Amino acid sequence: ETGVTQSPTHLIKTRGQQVTLRCSSQSGHNTVSWYQQALGQGPQFIFQYYREEENGRGNFPPRFSGLQFPNYSSELNVNALELDDSALYLCASSWAGTGGFNEQYFGPGTRLTVT
Amino acid sequence: AQKVTQAQTEISVVEKEDVTLDCVYETRDTTYYLFWYKQPPSGELVFLIRRNSFDEQNEISGRYSWNFQKSTSSFNFTITASQVVDSAVYFCALSDLFDMRFGAGTRLTVKP
Repeated sequence: ETGVTQSPTHLIKTRGQQVTLRCSSQSGHNTVSWYQQALGQGPQFIFQYYREEENGRGNFPPRFSGLQFPNYSSELNVNALELDDSALYLCASSWAGTGGFNEQYFGPGTRLTVT
Repeated sequence: AQKVTQAQTEISVVEKEDVTLDCVYETRDTTYYLFWYKQPPSGELVFLIRRNSFDEQNEISGRYSWNFQKSTSSFNFTITASQVVDSAVYFCALSDLFDMRFGAGTRLTVKP
């Protein structure tokens, strides 16, 4: 059983640029959530996708957007990068009968640095 | 608004000591879910437990136990006979169907 994978591992971008982060869910999972984790803090919920539809969103602006594909892999897109976007971005997948948050399996994260 | 408070920023114990990590939550929902996750030095968060708001039974899993008390809005986590491998950051989290909130985490260091 393959776990949750994320790419790239590290990324350096310049303020104002756009970035796409990718996540491959664990086999059999239909729900993916994205989180932002600043250094020394807990993960902050960005949004969740369930069966390719956004199914909940945290307090993040519209320049954070996402996609979930039929194979349940996912992308997180961030436009107009700001210095404060520098963080570890975590993807988590789970199986949910009707959406929501069950036991989530987290990937290793993508470390984004905005300069 | 939902909120999770983990007042203990860091805890240090000696191996074989028992340790309790505190978690206090706030929510207006009647249906909600509580979680504990472990983030070891390697970085990936690991699921430990999920509890729904209608199930206040305490749970024990090996050296781990959880005490859920709705009257005090707390969901505390106890490690019995701690081991060095328990060293990690532990996060308590609260969710409804559409939102998930993590606490700031408690860094546990278990010394040999």
